[in-house]
Amino acid sequence: GEDVEQSLFLSVREGDSSVINCTYTDSSSTYLYWYKQEPGAGLQLLTYIFSNMDMKQDQRLTVLLNKKDKHLSLRIADTQTGDSAIYFCTPGGNNAGNMLTFGGGTRLMVKP
Amino acid sequence: DAMVIQNPRYQVTQFGKPVTLSCSQTLNHNVMYWYQQKSSQAPKLLFHYYDKDFNNEADTPDNFQSRRPNTSFCFLDIRSPGLGDAAMYLCATSRDILAGGFKTQYFGPGTRLLVL
Repeated sequence: GEDVEQSLFLSVREGDSSVINCTYTDSSSTYLYWYKQEPGAGLQLLTYIFSNMDMKQDQRLTVLLNKKDKHLSLRIADTQTGDSAIYFCTPGGNNAGNMLTFGGGTRLMVKP
Repeated sequence: DAMVIQNPRYQVTQFGKPVTLSCSQTLNHNVMYWYQQKSSQAPKLLFHYYDKDFNNEADTPDNFQSRRPNTSFCFLDIRSPGLGDAAMYLCATSRDILAGGFKTQYFGPGTRLLVL
C-alpha cells in the first residue's frame, strides 16, 4: 500500500508563513489533497492539486508539488490563530475504489 | 447547501450495548465511506459503499457493520462496543470517477462515541 509521511508538529507565530511538508510513495496519484481538521470537527477539504501541476495558489495557500521527489507542501501565508488545526496530506491514487491514503497529520499551532 | 450530515454529534453507550451512528448526504454522491479516527491519528477507513456494493477493509473487525438503504443514508452499527471502540467516527462521500467525478471526499462533522 501507499505510505504518506508528515511531520507531527509545527509551531509558528501569528503573521509568519507556515510550511507543512508531505512525502508519499505512490507515483500514480492523479490528485493530491490537503484537508484541515479543527478540534472536534470533521475534515474540511482545503485545497488540491493535479499531478500535472507544479504549483497552485489560492489566496493565502500555496501548494507545491515535486513529482520527481514525491514531495508535496502546503504554504500558508500570514498565518492566523484560526489556522491552528491538524492538516492531512492525502494523495488520491488511481485505484478503482476511489480510496484516499491519509498521512498522519501535522498539528499546526499558531502563537499570538 | 449540499452537505454531509452526521447524527448525533456525541453518542454515549455502554460496554456491549449495540449502537448505531447515522450519516446522510444531499450531494447525491454514489460512494459513501465510514472512517474511525482515534485521538491524534489519521482517519482509518472501515468500509465503503459503491452504490449498493459493500466493500469491507480487511482489518475491520466483525463487530462493525454498515447499512445503506438508499443513496442518501448510510448507517454504522457497532454490535458490541468495547472500550477500544471509543473514537470519532467520520462519514464521507464522493462522486465516483467513473461517473465523471474526482476522488475528492466530503466529510461530515463526525460523531464522537464514548463507551462507558
